[in-house]
Amino acid sequence: DIQLTQSPSFLSASVGDRVTITCRASQGISSYLAWYQQKPGKAPKLLIYAASTLQSGVPSRFSGSGSGTEFTLTISSLQPEDFATYYCQQLNTYPLFGGGTKVEIK
Amino acid sequence: QVQLQESGPGLVKPSETLSVTCTVSGASISSYYWSWIRQPPGKGLEWIGYIYNSGSTIYNPSLRSRVTISVDTSKNQFSLSLSSVTAADTAVYFCARRLSGSYSERYFDYWGQGTLVTVSS
Repeated sequence: DIQLTQSPSFLSASVGDRVTITCRASQGISSYLAWYQQKPGKAPKLLIYAASTLQSGVPSRFSGSGSGTEFTLTISSLQPEDFATYYCQQLNTYPLFGGGTKVEIK
Repeated sequence: QVQLQESGPGLVKPSETLSVTCTVSGASISSYYWSWIRQPPGKGLEWIGYIYNSGSTIYNPSLRSRVTISVDTSKNQFSLSLSSVTAADTAVYFCARRLSGSYSERYFDYWGQGTLVTVSS
């Protein structure tokens, strides 16, 4: 079975920082990866799909890259509303989510 | 505008069956893949299963023996039943929509707000 490992699990950052989150798959999944943002008490929100395609309405400070087994989500300039937990999800075979990365205010 | 709304009892006793329903508006339940995803308190997301084509199902192998997902097209609703529950099934249960296209499109684009189901005597 494919495993998805996100790193770091937790990061502390300041407004304006550039933030990068990594998602590693235990085997190649081409570009079949999505990223979600979840705020406390809310449902996840789709940010990026197909590894690098920005979902409609998502700010351009979010970007995704990668293929095969290593993927990254980058926030170019962290905004107050971006403090949340981020999950990757592989789109191949059965849906599987990474363990999450919580982004907190430094 | 597509909207999903979960409903169901907030408390279920151990060994009983958990039942949650998702009402969909703004999209036909006969199109797309409709899914259940859960999240135990303070933990990550776990996919439970899909229903599509008005009745075909795919389940997470780890839950397959206990899960049934069904659809009521007349009400534009789909439902989850999870049998023989234990405290480990305590979670927020989300319903979500997935497109029916290629691998690149198998993301969840619309979600309900989630409903907390607690398993306790």
